[in-house]
Parts: sequence; C-alpha cells; structure tokens
Amino acid sequence: GENVGLHLPTLSVQEGDNSIINCAYSNSASDYFIWYKQESGKGPQFIIDIRSNMDKRQGQRVTVLLNKTVKHLSLQIAATQPGDSAVYFCAESTGGGNKLTFGTGTQLKVEL
Amino acid sequence: DSGVTQTPKHLITATGQRVTLRCSPRSGDLSVYWYQQSLDQGLQFLIQYYNGEERAKGNILERFSAQQFPDLHSELNLSSLELGDSALYFCASSRTGDSANTGELFFGEGSRLTVL
Repeated sequence: GENVGLHLPTLSVQEGDNSIINCAYSNSASDYFIWYKQESGKGPQFIIDIRSNMDKRQGQRVTVLLNKTVKHLSLQIAATQPGDSAVYFCAESTGGGNKLTFGTGTQLKVEL
Repeated sequence: DSGVTQTPKHLITATGQRVTLRCSPRSGDLSVYWYQQSLDQGLQFLIQYYNGEERAKGNILERFSAQQFPDLHSELNLSSLELGDSALYFCASSRTGDSANTGELFFGEGSRLTVL
C-alpha cells in the first residue's frame, strides 16, 4: 500500500465490532476538524467534519467527538466492515481557511 | 472517483532534474491544493490557489513552484530534484477557497515521484 514504511499506529478490530480512532491536536486556535479515509493506492476521502462549536456529530455509521478542553478528536465507526480497512487521518484548520494540517494517521485493519 | 485528475500517475527521474505535475480540479471547483505525502512525514500542505491566485502557502520549498491557469487546472513544478523529494504528490480541489460552508477537499489519486 501507499503507506508502507510509514510508522503508523495500527488498530485491529473484528468485523462487526465498533472502532474508535483517536487524534490529538495541538493548535488551540483550530476551529474546524475533518476526518479523512485513505485506502491503499488512492487519495484521501472525506468522511465527516465538525466545527468547534459542536462536540458531537453523526453521519452514516460514523460519529465524530470533539473535546476542546483536552484537544482531542475521535472517530467512531459502528459495525466495522472489511471495506473500512484504510488509513484514517484527522485534519484541522483555523479561521475558516482551507489550509488543512493533517495528523499522522491510524491504520485500521478489519479482521474477518 | 473524486473528479480530480492528476497526471502523470508515476514518474521516475534523476537527481537534479525538473518535473511538472498536472492537476485538473472537479468541474466547478475554484480552489486547488497541493499536498506532499512522504513515508516519514505524512500529508504536508504545500500551497493553495483560488481562482488563479495564490491563497495560502505551507511548507513548500523554494525549488518548488505552482500556478493555477485561467481554465483552473494547476501545475506543480519541482526542480533541482533531490532523493528526498520522492513522494506522492496529491492535488485536491474545493468549490470555494475557505471552509465557511464545508472544508471538504476532493483529492486526486496522486502522482508518485521517484527520484533516483
């Protein structure tokens, strides 16, 4: 895959279980956060976003939680499927701009 | 398919050379972004253009330059290439230049550059 060699933290889950992927950010001025999914050989794909005036947002099978106090973001995936296997990146931006700063990524492996 | 097209998909060249990577954004998108993804640094923002004008700059080396043309396609020029420039270069596009409505970027599949 495209991230071979990158020392990514890895989360292994059983198919059907829930997955929680965590992300810590450092810029307290960041006010917009996005989760991206990158499958092997492809570009990152938008999953869900959240603004700093919210602490939770739900999508289809995914939920993003934001804790501004400890500068922590998480992505929860319900009933994880083999197609969810990918690298997941959190990204942040500030002041309404689109200059995204990406985290290092987490490799999610779904075991059958 | 994100609608963003990048060419070439793969490129192998030697140190000291110059290459140009090309990006066609999604139809209707005015903003183009370039990101570098290397093995040890993850996704790094290089530069953003909006409707032909530079909007934001990241960790882009002086040896690198970019532009966005009137038809909104963009090119990233990499010169005096070094071994460390080997990476995946992604282009992304968005409707606007900010995240006021949504910060969703649509990424192409990348151009893999190998410098030997």
